[in-house]
Amino acid sequence: SAVISQKPSRDICQRGTSLTIQCQVDSQVTMMFWYRQQPGQSLTLIATANQGSEATYESGFVIDKFPISRPNLTFSTLTVSNMSPEDSSIYLCSVEFQVGTDTQYFGPGTRLTVL
Amino acid sequence: AQTVTQSQPEMSVQEAETVTLSCTYDTSENNYYLFWYKQPPSRQMILVIRQEAYKQQNATENRFSVNFQKAAKSFSLKISDSQLGDTAMYFCAFMIDPNFGNEKLTFGTGTRLTIIP
Repeated sequence: SAVISQKPSRDICQRGTSLTIQCQVDSQVTMMFWYRQQPGQSLTLIATANQGSEATYESGFVIDKFPISRPNLTFSTLTVSNMSPEDSSIYLCSVEFQVGTDTQYFGPGTRLTVL
Repeated sequence: AQTVTQSQPEMSVQEAETVTLSCTYDTSENNYYLFWYKQPPSRQMILVIRQEAYKQQNATENRFSVNFQKAAKSFSLKISDSQLGDTAMYFCAFMIDPNFGNEKLTFGTGTRLTIIP
């Protein structure tokens, strides 16, 4: 099975700064997604990272706050911009290996703390 | 919009016993998939089991099985012969058939399961 990695695994950041999180897969995938898990809560989809085009954002999430890149079929980044303590969460990427399949596999997550 | 409800915030069971986690969902769709994921303290989300809504047969994966009641919109997870490694947060999740909508996973709020030695 494929390996999904995320960098960094955790970080502590100052208010007003930005952090870029990387998601790398060791094989090509069609779909990549970014989720947020706020402390003690469930996962919420931020956006779908589309290869070669702009990401598709869910209601409540905007590109200026969470810019996403997907330069190829194995890699994506999520940036959390102008951070505030409310952005403290676990950010997880997930992948689907084939178009139209239904199963997503998750990376290990990035734990972000904003002071 | 789809919603997923897990009514048991926490559960605990003795090692080797059987435990059932409940999940209900609401949707007007007819084609969809249901999942159980576990999230141990390492925070890695691990797929436990999946069920296609068009299949009447309940999915099983070793010690894990589901009771899928489509009319009742219920999707419970049974863990048999529970082991200490089963201690984790368990999330029920829903996805519309990708051929009819996007691949968005909608998660429930989770059930924290503790296996007691």
